[in-house]
Amino acid sequence: EAAVTQSPRNKVTVTGGNVTLSCRQTNSHNYMYWYRQDTGHGLRLIHYSYGAGNLQIGDVPDGYKATRTTQEDFFLLLELASPSQTSLYFCASSDGGAGAETLYFGSGTRLTVL
Amino acid sequence: QQKVQQSPESLIVPEGGMASLNCTSSDRNVDYFWWYRQHSGKSPKMLMSIFSNGEKEEGRFTVHLNKASLHTSLHIRDSQPSDSALYLCAASMLNTNTGKLTFGDGTVLTVKP
Repeated sequence: EAAVTQSPRNKVTVTGGNVTLSCRQTNSHNYMYWYRQDTGHGLRLIHYSYGAGNLQIGDVPDGYKATRTTQEDFFLLLELASPSQTSLYFCASSDGGAGAETLYFGSGTRLTVL
Repeated sequence: QQKVQQSPESLIVPEGGMASLNCTSSDRNVDYFWWYRQHSGKSPKMLMSIFSNGEKEEGRFTVHLNKASLHTSLHIRDSQPSDSALYLCAASMLNTNTGKLTFGDGTVLTVKP
């Protein structure tokens, strides 16, 4: 099964702080995604990428930047964190595109913004 | 923006019973439906997918799809306490070539021993 590793597992920061969430996948998947999960909202797509250097905007991108430095690594950046960004963040990868391939999720990063 | 609606929000069934979960997309361009299962404190894992009209069965799990109404349903027979989880429906469109999935808000299933 595809391996997707997220770090850190938990992060606490203050309003206005700078946060970087990391994700690495080791299965040579082309597509990588960042989702946030809040109670009552399922999974909402923040940003995604087809490959190194590529970035696509998701459905809830405001306040987030992302960067795909290699095929394996995808980062989510919060430059001025706000309490509304307190959430559980999941990274995922998939082999193909076009919505026809299974997503494999990491274990998640729980972010708290005080 | 496409919406995926799931119902009910929560469901309690007795052990050995049948659980039925529903999902509808608002976008007529949707081609694929997916069901993911997320146990408490864990990450979502793909359970089943369907893109053709009709039904698909895998063990105790059956998925139905009606493409005309953009409605899919997941049925779990002989439900077990280990089936207690959040069930997420997702939809995707092949012609966008983005690999983008839109998820619903989920149904929380509780199976009572």
